[in-house]
Amino acid sequence: SQQGEEDPQALSIQEGENATMNCSYKTSINNLQWYRQNSGRGLVHLILIRSNEREKHSGRLRVTLDTSKKSSSLLITASRAADTASYFCGGGSGGSNYKLTFGKGTLLTVNP
Amino acid sequence: NAGVTQTPKFQVLKTGQSMTLQCAQDMNHNSMYWYRQDPGMGLRLIYYSASEGTTDKGEVPNGYNVSRLNKREFSLRLESAAPSQTSVYFCASRVDGPTEAFFGQGTRLTVV
Repeated sequence: SQQGEEDPQALSIQEGENATMNCSYKTSINNLQWYRQNSGRGLVHLILIRSNEREKHSGRLRVTLDTSKKSSSLLITASRAADTASYFCGGGSGGSNYKLTFGKGTLLTVNP
Repeated sequence: NAGVTQTPKFQVLKTGQSMTLQCAQDMNHNSMYWYRQDPGMGLRLIYYSASEGTTDKGEVPNGYNVSRLNKREFSLRLESAAPSQTSVYFCASRVDGPTEAFFGQGTRLTVV
């Protein structure tokens, strides 16, 4: 079964608002990664948070990780129309034999 | 620097035909992955390879075979294509440890 499950499945907001997406995962992970996918394109890495970290920032992105609840959240502040995309969380496990699996994603639409 | 290159970009097959999807990376990465993406299903891991000469099954390996003949290339073979294998296929690669994955632009496969 897939490692991550994103929530909500779809999110529509106005430009300038914040967008929060959540991810729950099933098994132990070494780290959790968030990716973005523009329609029909390959995934692009956004941010990685290790299992011993609780929060990480990168520009307008803020990621939190709660290993006790097996959950993570991605916050995009001051959203722009260009942020419209699908967002996926990916969980990694297995040491050097690193199995990276993803959830179904959240489709974010930012209306101008 | 080309990154991850997938060929072909588009393919139409008849049921029962065979074909090989090619993936090559020029970043000297050890790990390589094959995913399929279907509407509403996110990305599902088909096979992955932690190093040259090794492969492991992912979440949905049935109907596929893979080959990792060298460090650069990881191919995915459909021996007898079925309509259920209509999908967009993505290849990805990464170095060892907690690092990001780099994705190709995808192969859109239709089996009729």
